[in-house]
Amino acid sequence: EPEVTQTPSHQVTQMGQEVILRCVPISNHLYFYWYRQILGQKVEFLVSFYNNEISEKSEIFDDQFSVERPDGSNFTLKIRSTKLEDSAMYFCASSEVQGGYGYTFGSGTRLTVV
Amino acid sequence: GNSVTQMEGPVTLSEEAFLTINCTYTATGYPSLFWYVQYPGEGLQLLLKATKADDKGSNKGFEATYRKETTSFHLEKGSVQVSDSAVYFCALSDGSGNTGKLIFGQGTTLQVKP
Repeated sequence: EPEVTQTPSHQVTQMGQEVILRCVPISNHLYFYWYRQILGQKVEFLVSFYNNEISEKSEIFDDQFSVERPDGSNFTLKIRSTKLEDSAMYFCASSEVQGGYGYTFGSGTRLTVV
Repeated sequence: GNSVTQMEGPVTLSEEAFLTINCTYTATGYPSLFWYVQYPGEGLQLLLKATKADDKGSNKGFEATYRKETTSFHLEKGSVQVSDSAVYFCALSDGSGNTGKLIFGQGTTLQVKP
C-alpha cells in the first residue's frame, strides 16, 4: 500500500535554528498538507498546497514557516528560527482529491526545540 | 467557525466491552465527517468516514452514523479488543470547494484491559 514518508522521525534542534522537515507524498497525489500536534493536544492544520502554491494556511503558519515542493517529489516544511513552542509532532499528508477525502498521513516527525 | 468536540478521555474498558466515543460538530454547509485512529508511536490512520447525513461509516467493527439533526458522529464498537487501545480523533472537512483542510477534535484515548 502506498505510503507518505517523513524524515527524520525525530529531530532535536536549538532555539533559533532553522529546521527543514521532509516528506515524500504518494506519487499520484496532488494535494499536500502539514499538520502539527503539540503533545497531548489536538491535531492542528498548518497549510495546504496545490499546484505549486499555498492554497490555505492557518494563523499558526506565520512568516517563520514556509513550504516547498522543490523537485516534484519531496514536500518540505521549513521553520526559519525555531522557538520552544514549535516543539510538536509534525504530520505531512497527501490526497488525490480535494475536499478532505482520501488523506494519507505520514508517521510524523517529532521536533524538539531545546 | 467550524469545530469538533469529543468526549474527554481517557476511556478505560475491559476487553469485549461496548465502546462509545461521543463527537459533536459545528459547521456551516455540509461537512464530511471522519474518525482517525493513532496507535502508539504511529501516525494518523483513517478509520471510517461519512460524507452526507444518515450515512453510516464502518470499518474493523467500528461504526459511526452522520446525524445532522443532532450534529453528531459518535463512534461505536460492540466488543473492543486490547489491540484497539489508541487515540481516536473525530474530524470534519467542510467540503464546500475548500482546500481539503481537516478540523480535528481533541482526541480521546482508549485503553482496553485484558
